[in-house]
Amino acid sequence: DADVTQTPRNRITKTGKRIMLECSQTKGHDRMYWYRQDPGLGLRLIYYSFDVKDINKGEISDGYSVSRQAQAKFSLSLESAIPNQTALYFCATSVRQGKGNEQFFGPGTRLTVL
Amino acid sequence: AQKVTQAQTEISVVEKEDVTLDCVYETRDTTYYLFWYKQPPSGELVFLIRRNSFDEQNEISGRYSWNFQKSTSSFNFTITASQVVDSAVYFCALLIYNQGGKLIFGQGTELSVKP
Repeated sequence: DADVTQTPRNRITKTGKRIMLECSQTKGHDRMYWYRQDPGLGLRLIYYSFDVKDINKGEISDGYSVSRQAQAKFSLSLESAIPNQTALYFCATSVRQGKGNEQFFGPGTRLTVL
Repeated sequence: AQKVTQAQTEISVVEKEDVTLDCVYETRDTTYYLFWYKQPPSGELVFLIRRNSFDEQNEISGRYSWNFQKSTSSFNFTITASQVVDSAVYFCALLIYNQGGKLIFGQGTELSVKP
């Protein structure tokens, strides 16, 4: 089945470590997004990409970087993790605007920074 | 600025009760979409409904119904005859058409349905 997958699903790391979260999709969608979820705050957009050469900062990009290695892959990196980056991270995909705009979410990655 | 407000942080009901989850949004744009997502305890996000700003028809899908009122900038979600399986966090979200598909989420409402 066409799907959005995220690896790892859970990660515990220490302050100062570099972490990469990966997202892959088989939906053939152009657009990919990274969100983080914190209790009481909903989901907030970190970065988004309309295609391989088009990457944009979202609402809370500080402390994060991304790489769109291919249409199907979008990675999120924390160069030097800090405890307040402990959160649930979601990757999402969508087709080009004008065709429904529904975003399809991956299962999430639970990251804990000690 | 665009914003989505879900004023109810937590709701607790007894099975078979009806429950309404409120969503109020803010935008000056005339073309936008509104969404509801469900997040069960397992953590994934499940798409429930999409409504565009030009379609104010209410929608019913089984026990679920949605009331979209542009006059009050609200997009409320009602579950009729709630069931324990409805227990989840529900998110309302706003997408502005000319901003490339970015979703603005509300804070979420945690619904607990007790047997």
